[in-house]
Amino acid sequence: GAVVSQHPSWVICKSGTSVKIECRSLDFQATTMFWYRQFPKQSLMLMATSNEGSKATYEQGVEKDKFLINHASLTLSTLTVTSAHPEDSSFYICSARVGDHGYTFGSGTRLTVV
Amino acid sequence: GNSVTQMEGPVTLSEEAFLTINCTYTATGYPSLFWYVQYPGEGLQLLLKATKADDKGSNKGFEATYRKETTSFHLEKGSVQVSDSAVYFCALGDAGNMLTFGGGTRLMVKP
Repeated sequence: GAVVSQHPSWVICKSGTSVKIECRSLDFQATTMFWYRQFPKQSLMLMATSNEGSKATYEQGVEKDKFLINHASLTLSTLTVTSAHPEDSSFYICSARVGDHGYTFGSGTRLTVV
Repeated sequence: GNSVTQMEGPVTLSEEAFLTINCTYTATGYPSLFWYVQYPGEGLQLLLKATKADDKGSNKGFEATYRKETTSFHLEKGSVQVSDSAVYFCALGDAGNMLTFGGGTRLMVKP
């Protein structure tokens, strides 16, 4: 089946540094990738939708200059958290549309900013 | 806009008990409905789905029926196991490829 590989699975970084999260579609082409954020014991909140070769569409309240999304190819989308701060600590998950009615998710990245 | 409401947890059951997790939705058009499961520290895995009214999705003993008249997609399992302990998310997918998630329900199954 369609698989999205997400790396790293966890990362600890110092406040003020940037962190890049990658999502690769392994056996299909992901025209659209969705990026979610999940706080402890809460649901997934859509941050942005990225389309290959064009600018990402951000949800209201999400800072596009802080959460940089790049979708330069049909198999790779990246999320870069710039100048990370402790409040950015969260679980980030990517997802890609598969077929007409399916979605596949990455395994998630737990980011801890210290 | 679209919304999904599911029962709050945690739901605590003994092994072999019957499980129901309620899910209702609000949407325009004819969305697809999904149940996802999330184990600790992991991403989401598709559990089952239904793409049109009266469809029944099923997988690993779990079932859910797309009820348009009650705008519901309740998740059921006849006999839960300890290994079913996880967080379950009901979700709605619209024609614009957007997924809307419910708040999640944590299930804890005791041996």
